[in-house]
Amino acid sequence: AQTVTQSQPEMSVQEAETVTLSCTYDTSENNYYLFWYKQPPSRQMILVIRQEAYKQQNATENRFSVNFQKAAKSFSLKISDSQLGDTAMYFCAFTGTASKLTFGTGTRLQVTL
Amino acid sequence: DAGVIQSPRHEVTEMGQEVTLRCKPISGHNSLFWYRQTMMRGLELLIYFNNNVPIDDSGMPEDRFSAKMPNASFSTLKIQPSEPRDSAVYFCASSLALIGQGGGYTFGSGTRLTVV
Repeated sequence: AQTVTQSQPEMSVQEAETVTLSCTYDTSENNYYLFWYKQPPSRQMILVIRQEAYKQQNATENRFSVNFQKAAKSFSLKISDSQLGDTAMYFCAFTGTASKLTFGTGTRLQVTL
Repeated sequence: DAGVIQSPRHEVTEMGQEVTLRCKPISGHNSLFWYRQTMMRGLELLIYFNNNVPIDDSGMPEDRFSAKMPNASFSTLKIQPSEPRDSAVYFCASSLALIGQGGGYTFGSGTRLTVV
């Protein structure tokens, strides 16, 4: 069974600074996909970024980028130029051949002035 | 595209009552997922369907929970009888994905269920 671990329950960052959220996972599969989802207070689950395991290049979406280390089974999210609107819960998620998403426990990010 | 539509947005019911949550996936999506979110257990997959067929219901907590997908545009999650420990946010998500292809998952806004 796949597991996803987020070891940082809460983090805080000042506006305009950079923050990195950690995620590790465990799987025996070789081909899989990793995601970061954002859940603001509105509770909507919003896809932030997606990484395909067979691609060596790290995914980037504007201010959001990942550091994907396949051998270490690590998938961290970097948020640059943090904005107040980035305040939310962030979930790391995994999907493999079964197509279902397995989520980590989440990291609560607070962006402060 | 209206996205994944869930109803109701909020539901308050008394213990022992039947509760039905509804979901309309994005048109053309062939996979549908029901998740439950609580503070204690986080996001848990309850059941998922592919082409209207239940594929994995191992996350359904008890026989009190049942889910159906009578057609490609509608699914229900029913709890009968409901208990206070069922209080949670229930999400429906849909995806256009072949098995193992890692397609994007779109979530609905969730139903917050409170059982008193």
